[in-house]
Amino acid sequence: GAGVSQSPRYKVAKRGQDVALRCDPISGHVSLFWYQQALGQGPEFLTYFQNEAQLDKSGLPSDRFFAERPEGSVSTLKIQRTQQEDSAVYLCASSPERTSGIFTDTQYFGPGTRLTVL
Amino acid sequence: GNSVTQMEGPVTLSEEAFLTINCTYTATGYPSLFWYVQYPGEGLQLLLKATKADDKGSNKGFEATYRKETTSFHLEKGSVQVSDSAVYFCALSEMDGGSQGNLIFGKGTKLSVKP
Repeated sequence: GAGVSQSPRYKVAKRGQDVALRCDPISGHVSLFWYQQALGQGPEFLTYFQNEAQLDKSGLPSDRFFAERPEGSVSTLKIQRTQQEDSAVYLCASSPERTSGIFTDTQYFGPGTRLTVL
Repeated sequence: GNSVTQMEGPVTLSEEAFLTINCTYTATGYPSLFWYVQYPGEGLQLLLKATKADDKGSNKGFEATYRKETTSFHLEKGSVQVSDSAVYFCALSEMDGGSQGNLIFGKGTKLSVKP
């Protein structure tokens, strides 16, 4: 079946512009994660949704970053007044269901959106 | 806090050489451990995982064993191929202690395999 898709794949913004990045998770997946990957680094957690509820936004670097998933499927990450330090690849991942105990669901990643802020 | 440390690259090997990429972790609870791979121009893909101590994850000839006593999850392959050239990320995920299961990644190790 279809995997996680993200759009646009590449985005160039002028400093101060607002951007919106879209994630289409695998159909039926309950959990959705956003990560930020700076050049040469590993991905870093930004925020987590369970269905439409944003349960963890502890990784968002500033109040310029906002994410939503209003119907529990598609998610949008919005960055207001972009700065050069926001340049990175933004990754979205989804997984089927939360589980408890020691078992962890595999996360399926999209191809990412490469954001360049000039 | 939780963290993952993996050997810095780049690592350059000849085809059919033995591969080891070291990974150690720090965690407060009982994490699951993962290796993800990122091929050029592609997204992150799960390579293998282990959910408890002494478990061995394996896939495509790659193996890693969850060692609680040394807090390690080293990636190994007996004979690499040119097609294994990619960036490899070690990661952990914790489900307890209030964590939602988000992944914590190492910085990645770039592997180049020469024919």
